[in-house]
Amino acid sequence: AAGVIQSPRHLIKEKRETATLKCYPIPRHDTVYWYQQGPGQDPQFLISFYEKMQSDKGSIPDRFSAQQFSDYHSELNMSSLELGDSALYFCASSAGPNNEQFFGPGTRLTVL
Amino acid sequence: KQEVTQIPAALSVPEGENLVLNCSFTDSAIYNLQWFRQDPGKGLTSLLLIQSSQREQTSGRLNASLDKSSGRSTLYIAASQPGDSATYLCAVPPENTGNQFYFGTGTSLTVIP
Repeated sequence: AAGVIQSPRHLIKEKRETATLKCYPIPRHDTVYWYQQGPGQDPQFLISFYEKMQSDKGSIPDRFSAQQFSDYHSELNMSSLELGDSALYFCASSAGPNNEQFFGPGTRLTVL
Repeated sequence: KQEVTQIPAALSVPEGENLVLNCSFTDSAIYNLQWFRQDPGKGLTSLLLIQSSQREQTSGRLNASLDKSSGRSTLYIAASQPGDSATYLCAVPPENTGNQFYFGTGTSLTVIP
């Protein structure tokens, strides 16, 4: 069965650079969620989208923005990267909000 | 803000044992509760989802229960295997949105062959 696809799987950036993470949800899933997991931490919710509209917002820094496109894929844009942004970034999708969330393999971002 | 706690933080058992992982949450106004496993440096695999109106869910050797009023859930793993070694996380979304998950602190399980 198709799963959530995230790209790239690994990304290395310098401080103050910009990064874009992509998420392709499971087919027919219209809801996408972004989470950040720091080393040894549990995942923290960043933001979610339902039918291309932002549906919920968590602890997402102002330097980050995200959107969901007409094909339901989503992109997380991160600017002015800081060392503390180094983490595993997960995308999850569900068939509508309030339903079971399926997670992608994550993108490991390292900021040097 | 919802706080989710998992006990124990780490657990080591010999192969074949049955075990119970605990999850507690401070705000009982939840939409559902989902259990995940996470292998080191890997993604999250969904194990079980329990709706707030349900008491338990079963999948193979896994059984999850939910006592919403007391803010507790347990994950029971029968006949543990070395392949079950991973970190187990419970997560709850608030009742009003059902969107964002609050994750527990996780239980690191090691099953010794």
